[in-house]
Amino acid sequence: AQSVTQLGSHVSVSEGALVLLRCNYSSSVPPYLFWYVQYPNQGLQLLLKYTSAATLVKGINGFEAEFKKSETSFHLTKPSAHMSDAAEYFCAVSNQDSGYALNFGKGTSLLVTP
Amino acid sequence: DSGVTQTPKHLITATGQRVTLRCSPRSGDLSVYWYQQSLDQGLQFLIQYYNGEERAKGNILERFSAQQFPDLHSELNLSSLELGDSALYFCASSGSFSGNTIYFGEGSWLTVV
Repeated sequence: AQSVTQLGSHVSVSEGALVLLRCNYSSSVPPYLFWYVQYPNQGLQLLLKYTSAATLVKGINGFEAEFKKSETSFHLTKPSAHMSDAAEYFCAVSNQDSGYALNFGKGTSLLVTP
Repeated sequence: DSGVTQTPKHLITATGQRVTLRCSPRSGDLSVYWYQQSLDQGLQFLIQYYNGEERAKGNILERFSAQQFPDLHSELNLSSLELGDSALYFCASSGSFSGNTIYFGEGSWLTVV
């Protein structure tokens, strides 16, 4: 079985502030972990993924995430928020048991204020 | 542009009807996934096909079915539609299933009235 929990359905940050979106996972076997972003009326775009290589993963648009096995976490961060970062962010997990299909969290809506 | 093409983009139909959503995966991708996104259920995995064969099944209703054809395009059939089936349906594809990146299409908006 596998699942992810995203803490905070809404997060608000000021432009230029640190972005921290939290994700905790549960997986009975070694997981693959992903962060996707969804802009209004668009599909899902991959930000970054962890596939058992480096634990600190760098993605697009300045985002990065760190895989912490001891904490079963994969939090997403960005040092300085831009207005264009406002979107819905989804954490997802997959593993061999699921046929590598993605199991998504409920999403976190990021609001960036001027 | 992810390279995954879905049609139609928008669809309005009545309760009890049947619709077919179509998906063309990225060139060369053998694996196709279908997801449903709704406000109350979030993003739910429905079903996965790999090279024409069903690979994994998620929360897909019995009224729904899918298939992947020899040219690798896929169709999701939704029948006896109910108001609660109104949602955004995503198709996604990947080269294989061992942790490869899964690319999503723009989705098909289904409204059941």
